[in-house]
This record gives sequence, structure tokens and C-alpha cells, in this order.
Amino acid sequence: GNSVTQMEGPVTLSEEAFLTINCTYTATGYPSLFWYVQYPGEGLQLLLKATKADDKGSNKGFEATYRKETTSFHLEKGSVQVSDSAVYFCALMPGNNRKLIWGLGTSLAVNP
Amino acid sequence: DGGITQSPKYLFRKEGQNVTLSCEQNLNHDAMYWYRQDPGQGLRLIYYSQIVNDFQKGDIAEGYSVSREKKESFPLTVTSAQKNPTAFYLCASSLQGAENIQYFGAGTRLSVL
Repeated sequence: GNSVTQMEGPVTLSEEAFLTINCTYTATGYPSLFWYVQYPGEGLQLLLKATKADDKGSNKGFEATYRKETTSFHLEKGSVQVSDSAVYFCALMPGNNRKLIWGLGTSLAVNP
Repeated sequence: DGGITQSPKYLFRKEGQNVTLSCEQNLNHDAMYWYRQDPGQGLRLIYYSQIVNDFQKGDIAEGYSVSREKKESFPLTVTSAQKNPTAFYLCASSLQGAENIQYFGAGTRLSVL
């Protein structure tokens, strides 16, 4: 079946540190992959996406590359800020239906 | 401004009571979704609707009901049959195109008195 596995949090970093949040998936066919972010007390918003293998999604300094050979879509940022503190969700949309499959979320706290 | 509006932001339910959470969108999206979010459990799909007057159960539909009489509106009723309703509820909508990017409201936090 389809599933998404994210690294467990919480992740705590100092400002300007390098961030990696791991995401691996299991899917049939050719899924699209997404990262969403949820700031405290808010709904989710799309951070970036990739629709086919080797695509790189990027936004606000965050990047993730769709790696079919390792079934991964790890989120990275070179220098985090306090304002990046949030919960990050990895998700996939299978090629054969429209429903999103969600990871459990990874909480990130960035200290000044 | 286009977007999704959920109301109320906070809601309290008494034992045996049904409560309804509102979700309205002005994005002209065909599809709408309701999710439940519990700490450490990510998002779980309750119901979704791809077109007016049609909806399907998600993974945890028991104890919930929905209607989709208008394209803009997708209210969720938490019935008395839902024994553990305390959670954060999120509504989302999307176009029916290939990418299915979902846009979310700010959520409703439901607690039991």
C-alpha cells in the first residue's frame, strides 16, 4: 500500500544551523510528493512539491528532491531562522487516486 | 482575498450533543476535505467531497456527518456517537486538476465539557 514515513521530532536547532527532515515513502505507480508546513495555531500550507523523479521543489530557502531510487523526499534548508519553527508534513498523492497520504509530521524548534 | 474560512475557532461540546463546524471557501474549488489532527498522529481524513451533492467517507468517518449542498460550503457535524471528539479539525479544498494541491483553513479546536 501507500505510506509516508517521517523522522520523529522534535528537532531543535540553533539559528543558522543546517536542517534536514527525512521523508521516505512507499507507493505504487508514480506519486507526486509534497511538503506542507503548519505554524503554531494555524492550518497547513504548501511549502513545496515535486511531481516526478529527480524534480527539485524549492521555496523560502527550503529544498527537496524526489529520489525514486531511494524512495525519498528529504527536506533541507541551509540556514534556519526562528521563524521556521513549525511542524512539517511530508505527503504523497498516488498516481492512481486523488487522496493525499500524510506523514505524522516533524516538529521543528529553532532557538535564537 | 480568496481563501478558506473555518468557524468557530474554538468550540465546546457537552455530552450527548451534536455540534457543527463550518467551512466556507471562495476559491471556486470543486473538492473539499475534512481532517482530524491529534497530537502525534498527523492528519486523518474524515470525509471528502469531489462535487456538489456527493461525498465519500475517509478513514475515520464513524461519528461524523457532512453535507455538500453548495460548492462553497462543506459543514461537518460531530455527532454524539463520536466518543472522543476532542481534536483540532482542519478543512481543505482543492481543484480537481492533476496536482491536487490542498489549501487549508485555520482550523477549529473542539473540546468536550
